Order: sequence, then structure tokens, then C-alpha cells
Amino acid sequence: EVQLVESGGGLVQPGGSLRLSCSASGFTFSRYWMTWVRQAPGKGLEWVANIKQGGNEKNYVDSARGRYTISRDDAKNSMYLQMNSLRVEDTAVYYCAREATSSGGFDYWGQGTLVTVSS
Amino acid sequence: QSVLTQPPSASGTPGQRVTISCSGSNSNIGNHYVYWYQHLPGTAPKLLIYKNNQRPSGVPDRFSGSKSGTSASLAISGLRSEDEADYYCVAWDDSLSGWVFGGGTKLTVL
Repeated sequence: EVQLVESGGGLVQPGGSLRLSCSASGFTFSRYWMTWVRQAPGKGLEWVANIKQGGNEKNYVDSARGRYTISRDDAKNSMYLQMNSLRVEDTAVYYCAREATSSGGFDYWGQGTLVTVSS
Repeated sequence: QSVLTQPPSASGTPGQRVTISCSGSNSNIGNHYVYWYQHLPGTAPKLLIYKNNQRPSGVPDRFSGSKSGTSASLAISGLRSEDEADYYCVAWDDSLSGWVFGGGTKLTVL
């Protein structure tokens, strides 16, 4: 059974940093692009970043570029999101998701981890 | 403001057919597949439609997708109370080099 479990969320002050983790199981992690999606309170879903198999290609939404870094460790079946210079508007539930190879899109999602940026 | 435009709300009575639209541009919908997700608060989003009109196994055939030019739509027939949720369209955007979501449509079953 495919499982994605996010961790690392919490309360952080503006300007602070946080590192999210996504632990994967039930599939060959190294064969898939992986993605982070977030949902701010009362807002819609927003794609944040993704990373290719092997980690040599990464893409970011404009608001995250230069502040966030996506990475992966295939030996640990894990993906990470290092978030620096956090802003109040980064407050959201952050989901990790697997990008399907043949069908495309995000076929499996985690339950999300809440990041709250507040003083 | 989202790159893909969806109506903020839609509604219908049980048994009715409802359509949710998603409008984009040549850099996204016009040149890429569209995906649709159902999202209930506090849960993981669920893939409903992939590659414009394909249903993953387990998704009822009451859900269907279509695409024409730079627009796409999701149709739900035989509306049921459990269909009440938020629905999102998604596509890859060449100009932004990233995935773009619609703003979401909140479906209410009256």
C-alpha cells in the first residue's frame, strides 16, 4: 500500500526556518517525481515545488524560489522541503504527493503537516 | 488570483448533473493534460480525472472530464450528498515551469 507521511510542521516566527519531511513507503520511491502542495487557511490548493527522480531537476512556484529548497534521499525513501525566511503568508497545510509516471498528475497524497508562521 | 479560472461555487440537487469549468491559456491547458481533484477539508485530495478525461480505478463513472482548446470541464451526474466537496483543476504551465491549480470550486448538494 502506497503511503506518504509528512512531518516537521509547527509554529515558527516570521523570518525563521523549518524543514519538512515526507516519508514514502509501498512503492519504489526512486522512480517517481515528487511534489509539495500547500493550502493556506481558507484558500485553495497551491503547488509549491517538485523534484525529479535522482534530484537533478527541481521546480518552484515563484513565491518559494530562493527561500525554499526541495531535496530527496532515495536511500531513505524521503523527500524534504527546507523553508527559510518564512513569512506569515507561508502559513498552510503542506502536502507531499507522488507524481504518477504513466497517467501524470498527483496520484497519492499524504495527510499534510501544518506550518504556522506567526509572532 | 489563480492561473486557471474556476467558478468559486456550484450547486445542484441529488440526481442532477453539474458541470464545473476551468479556463486557462495556451501555456497550460492548451498544450497539456488537465487533472481534476476532489478535496474534503482535513483529508488528502483525491485524483478524479487524469489526462483530460480518464478515470482512475475506483472513481465512479458519474465523474467525467473533457477539454477543448484552453478550457476544460468536470461533469458530475447523478449528484449525491457525498459529492459535496471542493474541486480543483490542475495543469502544467510552460511559462511558469510548474504546476498550476485552479482556485477551486465548492460544490454544494442542496
